[in-house]
Amino acid sequence: SVLTQPPSVSVAPGQTARFTCGGINIGSDSVNWYQQKPGQAPVLVVYDDGDRPSGIPERFSGSKSGNMATLTISRVEAGDEADYWCQVWDPTYDHVVFGGGTKLTVL
Amino acid sequence: QVQLVQSGAEVKRPGASVRVSCKTSGYTFIGYYLHWVRQVPGQGLEWMGWLNPKSGDTKFAQKFQDRVTLTRATSIRTAYLELTSLRSDDTAVYYCTRRWGPSWVARGGWFDSWGQGTLVTVSS
Repeated sequence: SVLTQPPSVSVAPGQTARFTCGGINIGSDSVNWYQQKPGQAPVLVVYDDGDRPSGIPERFSGSKSGNMATLTISRVEAGDEADYWCQVWDPTYDHVVFGGGTKLTVL
Repeated sequence: QVQLVQSGAEVKRPGASVRVSCKTSGYTFIGYYLHWVRQVPGQGLEWMGWLNPKSGDTKFAQKFQDRVTLTRATSIRTAYLELTSLRSDDTAVYYCTRRWGPSWVARGGWFDSWGQGTLVTVSS
């Protein structure tokens, strides 16, 4: 299974950032999203397509339509600058798959 | 709170082996699968495999099947990754991560807690 993410997204502070993740299995499996800042471990920001862990701001939301999942960050802040990874469970090979990641630049 | 604390950075020669530990606390160790994920500097996240701490069962990505061993010591709530026949392209940060999901099935869920990462450098 392959998950396709655009390599980069750039937005100005206060604007909305959208990250897409496309793949054949996305329609049938839950999608999770992680934020990773330089030198740090990934942090879960959205799980099960659209749920938010405690402590993650409401500005972060997830959705899915067909074979495309989207992570949306509203009212982007400078501190949101990071890499964002989508992840699913691939039932064909019974293993975990990560997307190639998208780097968010806050202008 | 849930914590995963990994062992320190390692420098190894090509052909050697490395063992990374992941000491857990703050939850029932045998109740959650532990996965290992690596990240070559400047590159993406790469899933390596999972360990069921209760049974000791494991599963690996095909790429690592011949070189990876995952074990655990339940009495000290610690999981281990051993990677053999190291090559320069194994230079990466290795993470352990807890899978939130049903304890009786491996698939699905999400990674809700991560270790801080262990840098393994392979160089002659």
